[in-house]
Amino acid sequence: QTVVTQEPSFSVSPGGTVTLTCGLSSGSVSTYFPSWYQQPPGQAPRTLIYSTNTRSSGVPDRFSGSILGNKAALTITGAQADDESNYYCMLYMGSGIWVFGGGTKLTVL
Amino acid sequence: EVHLVESGGGLVQPGRSLRLSCAASGFTFGDYAMHWVRQPPGKGLEWVSGISWSSGTIAYAESVKGRFTISRDNAKSSLYMQMNSLRPEDTAFYYCAKASRWELPYPIDHWGQGTLVTVSS
Repeated sequence: QTVVTQEPSFSVSPGGTVTLTCGLSSGSVSTYFPSWYQQPPGQAPRTLIYSTNTRSSGVPDRFSGSILGNKAALTITGAQADDESNYYCMLYMGSGIWVFGGGTKLTVL
Repeated sequence: EVHLVESGGGLVQPGRSLRLSCAASGFTFGDYAMHWVRQPPGKGLEWVSGISWSSGTIAYAESVKGRFTISRDNAKSSLYMQMNSLRPEDTAFYYCAKASRWELPYPIDHWGQGTLVTVSS
């Protein structure tokens, strides 16, 4: 069974930059169309990035997606207090099937 | 503006059935693939199922295959999930989600607010 891996938690200082990653238990994610979602506490998810690096409508350019080595990466620059959320990546496994990573809880302090 | 509203959640006993609905507005529903994603309280997201614009392509997570059935009615701009043989581990918030294009390989771009399904005796 394919496992999608994310850091369980991360912290960043206000105004700082943080990079969250999304990997596979084996191989590179570059051909799996990675997308990223933000879920503030108690709220529904919101789409940030899809197809590796395309920002969803209305998402500020402080959020960017890329590939770093074998992993997908979400970089947040100029971190703000309301960036404190859970962040999930999602990969396309083929045959119509998508799989989420376990999520990263980002703390801004 | 895209609007997705789920309904049909509630408390149900193990082994029973439940049908979720999602009413869509603000876009041409029949032009886009749709998904169901769930989230047990306090836990992470799990993709459950997806259906293409024409219902020609349907996919399920292994955890629900054979028990859940996704369907859509483009004339009513509605998405459905028939859930049978429910188990306690199916307890979760269920989100309706719109894909960015008409087929399943295209990712989610909009989400509903979710409906809670609780499976317990």
